[in-house]
Amino acid sequence: DVKVTQSSRYLVKRTGEKVFLECVQDMDHENMFWYRQDPGLGLRLIYFSYDVKMKEKGDIPEGYSVSREKKERFSLILESASTNQTSMYLCASSLEYLPGTEAFFGQGTRLTVV
Amino acid sequence: TQLLEQSPQFLSIQEGENLTVYCNSSSVFSSLQWYRQEPGEGPVLLVTVVTGGEVKKLKRLTFQFGDARKDSSLHITAAQPGDTGLYLCAGARSAGGTSYGKLTFGQGTILTVHP
Repeated sequence: DVKVTQSSRYLVKRTGEKVFLECVQDMDHENMFWYRQDPGLGLRLIYFSYDVKMKEKGDIPEGYSVSREKKERFSLILESASTNQTSMYLCASSLEYLPGTEAFFGQGTRLTVV
Repeated sequence: TQLLEQSPQFLSIQEGENLTVYCNSSSVFSSLQWYRQEPGEGPVLLVTVVTGGEVKKLKRLTFQFGDARKDSSLHITAAQPGDTGLYLCAGARSAGGTSYGKLTFGQGTILTVHP
């Protein structure tokens, strides 16, 4: 079974802090994604990566950056956390970046910025 | 602007009832997926439909992709408490000549099935 693991289930950070969310997948998938999930808005794509050191902006990249130094690991960075970044963050991976490819999700990190 | 409009957003029904969740868009999608998410977990894929008019069945769940590939529905027959969860539709579009497969998600439908 594919396993996508996010380093923390819950995080509480202060406004202005630099925050790192880590995600690891164990199935040698090429593609990895970071989404945020908010009530009534579904999942919105922040960034995705289709190869090591390669990244593309998603729909809402402002205030975020990412890092993919190794194939299995994709990190989301909040350079200076703000209260409007309080949300559930979901990491996902897939074998191919093609229509219909299944995305496998981690369990999510609920981030609260105070 | 939400590219995929999902309705209803909330559904509370009794065990044994039938229900339908709709996912509509003005855009054409290469494929449409349905995911189910339980509290504290990430979404898990239920089905992928890729052909206009396609119907897929998964036990008591029936999924349909519209002829024009702009909409989809999920129908559950004789709902059970175990069906409780958040249901998400997600469409993949092709960007120009490259099949990006980027997923766009609907807002989700929170289904509660009472015993």
